[in-house]
Amino acid sequence: KAGVTQTPRYLIKTRGQQVTLSCSPISGHRSVSWYQQTPGQGLQFLFEYFSETQRNKGNFPGRFSGRQFSNSRSEMNVSTLELGDSALYLCASSFTAASNIQYFGAGTRLSVL
Amino acid sequence: SQELEQSPQSLIVQEGKNLTINCTSSKTLYGLYWYKQKYGEGLIFLMMLQKGGEEKSHEKITAKLDEKKQQSSLHITASQPSHAGIYLCGADVDDKIIFGKGTRLHILP
Repeated sequence: KAGVTQTPRYLIKTRGQQVTLSCSPISGHRSVSWYQQTPGQGLQFLFEYFSETQRNKGNFPGRFSGRQFSNSRSEMNVSTLELGDSALYLCASSFTAASNIQYFGAGTRLSVL
Repeated sequence: SQELEQSPQSLIVQEGKNLTINCTSSKTLYGLYWYKQKYGEGLIFLMMLQKGGEEKSHEKITAKLDEKKQQSSLHITASQPSHAGIYLCGADVDDKIIFGKGTRLHILP
């Protein structure tokens, strides 16, 4: 069974640009959660999607958004990038709700210059 | 809001030695997860604990949740280079998982 796949693995953008990250969950998993990981703040919850609906949201500005498609694949978008958005973005999938055991992808390393 | 504090933040251990990592919650834990992360990569699920006093083991790693369900410990016996990485504890809070900041483990050969 294939694991969680995140693309791209690395990304370099400049301030003000926007970026879209993609996540393909494990086959059969319907919940996808997104996290931001930085050295200072650690791993922070962005949002969770379940059956194409945002089920839960963390404390991030509206520049961070996401969506989920009917095949459970999810995308995360960050608009008007800031230097502080440089981070490792991790996606995790679970069979049902986000509070079950989550399986993580390898992440997308975003650098904002 | 509930917070998870991990200690120590960093640990350097000689290969073959035992070690313990702690995770303390400000509130009662209803689901506690342990994950391992290799530098710059995704998290690998290790164990989940739900009941007070519960203890689980996988290979040389044992995790416990105390009776009051506010603290968990992760113990590694006879550490090996493959144990190096970042260990994170996570807890079920308001239908999402919050994580501690992690314990960085280095194993010296």
